[in-house]
Amino acid sequence: NAGVMQNPRHLVRRRGQEARLRCSPMKGHSHVYWYRQLPEEGLKFMVYLQKENIIDESGMPKERFSAEFPKEGPSILRIQQVVRGDSAAYFCASSPGDSNYGYTFGSGTRLTVV
Amino acid sequence: QKEVEQNSGPLSVPEGAIASLNCTYSDRGSQSFFWYRQYSGKSPELIMSIYSNGDKEDGRFTAQLNKASQYVSLLIRDSQPSDSATYLCAVGGQGGKLIFGQGTELSVKP
Repeated sequence: NAGVMQNPRHLVRRRGQEARLRCSPMKGHSHVYWYRQLPEEGLKFMVYLQKENIIDESGMPKERFSAEFPKEGPSILRIQQVVRGDSAAYFCASSPGDSNYGYTFGSGTRLTVV
Repeated sequence: QKEVEQNSGPLSVPEGAIASLNCTYSDRGSQSFFWYRQYSGKSPELIMSIYSNGDKEDGRFTAQLNKASQYVSLLIRDSQPSDSATYLCAVGGQGGKLIFGQGTELSVKP
């Protein structure tokens, strides 16, 4: 039973490029959450999605960031025109329902912008 | 006031001692409470969940919840060096997402 799968594990982008982070939830989980973690800081909520729907994107920066969870395929977090401040660990989590179930986290994508 | 606050670390305890980690939250409507453990460079791992007032024990871990005081704690008995990690308190409320505290770093010295 595979867990939450994130890829790539490490991603290096030059300033101005696009970053695409992928997340496949656990089997049977239909709720996906994206969090960002800066060094020495806690997890900051970005977006909550269900299949084909964005439920809560209150933590997403208004510009350059977008997320989707299509009917088929993984959830994608997309960052356009990356800047050095986007360098962080991005974690995806999934659950069978809302937050009351708790989450299972993927291994994360470490984004470095050079 | 932050939505979820944890006591600032790092917290250092000797091997075999009890480690006590604390967390307060601001949303009185919160219904679910979790403790995650995160080793350096790794992803968070769920270790405890609690939903009602009182204590919940699982092995060496005990979670305590007091909704009236808006307070959650985690006790680790017989602490081991392998318990050295950052512990994250998470609170679930309305809207379906978890809000995390900033984490408390625990160091267990042999």
